[in-house]
Amino acid sequence: GQQLNQSPQSMFIQEGEDVSMNCTSSSIFNTWLWYKQDPGEGPVLLIALYKAGELTSNGRLTAQFGITRKDSFLNISASIPSDVGIYFCAGQRSGTYKYIFGTGTRLKVLA
Amino acid sequence: DAGVIQSPRHEVTEMGQEVTLRCKPISGHNSLFWYRQTMMRGLELLIYFNNNVPIDDSGMPEDRFSAKMPNASFSTLKIQPSEPRDSAVYFCASSSISGSYEQYFGPGTRLTVT
Repeated sequence: GQQLNQSPQSMFIQEGEDVSMNCTSSSIFNTWLWYKQDPGEGPVLLIALYKAGELTSNGRLTAQFGITRKDSFLNISASIPSDVGIYFCAGQRSGTYKYIFGTGTRLKVLA
Repeated sequence: DAGVIQSPRHEVTEMGQEVTLRCKPISGHNSLFWYRQTMMRGLELLIYFNNNVPIDDSGMPEDRFSAKMPNASFSTLKIQPSEPRDSAVYFCASSSISGSYEQYFGPGTRLTVT
């Protein structure tokens, strides 16, 4: 099935550092969602974005809906060990209820 | 509030056996999605329902897979007969088509076919 391009594929960072990841597509999306998945669990919704240019925060997480509507970004500030996991973006096109998911960014935080 | 509920959490079966995975969506949600996750292919949408009606089943791998949603609070995904390549984690997710379209996932069923 189709997937969004998500980068980087994996990251190793020191505790306290900031993290940036992004998701790009050749298609325009109306909605972007960002999820975090822990081992053995289902993806948990972190942030939802509905308008081009929108910037939304959830604690130390900030996500942006790209102006072109073809990309989205997620930033994590002052990372902590529990930020470890896989982060997924998901985009929804106009006229459909289904989402296309990114390939995931695997984050590891070194204490 | 209860989230999406899936059962069983783990299933180990032999090739050729029938497997049934179950899902209870969040109360009030009227869209339900079945996904499969593997290391090689990531998260793949298999099928989704709106108001209990299948809308898009283009992701269902083959005729061995079938899904039903007899009412707003229950759905099943059946594999018959199962094959080793069906081993994966299967997720159910639900959302409201009249709201924000935010999709919430269940904990998943890890299926192993030997």
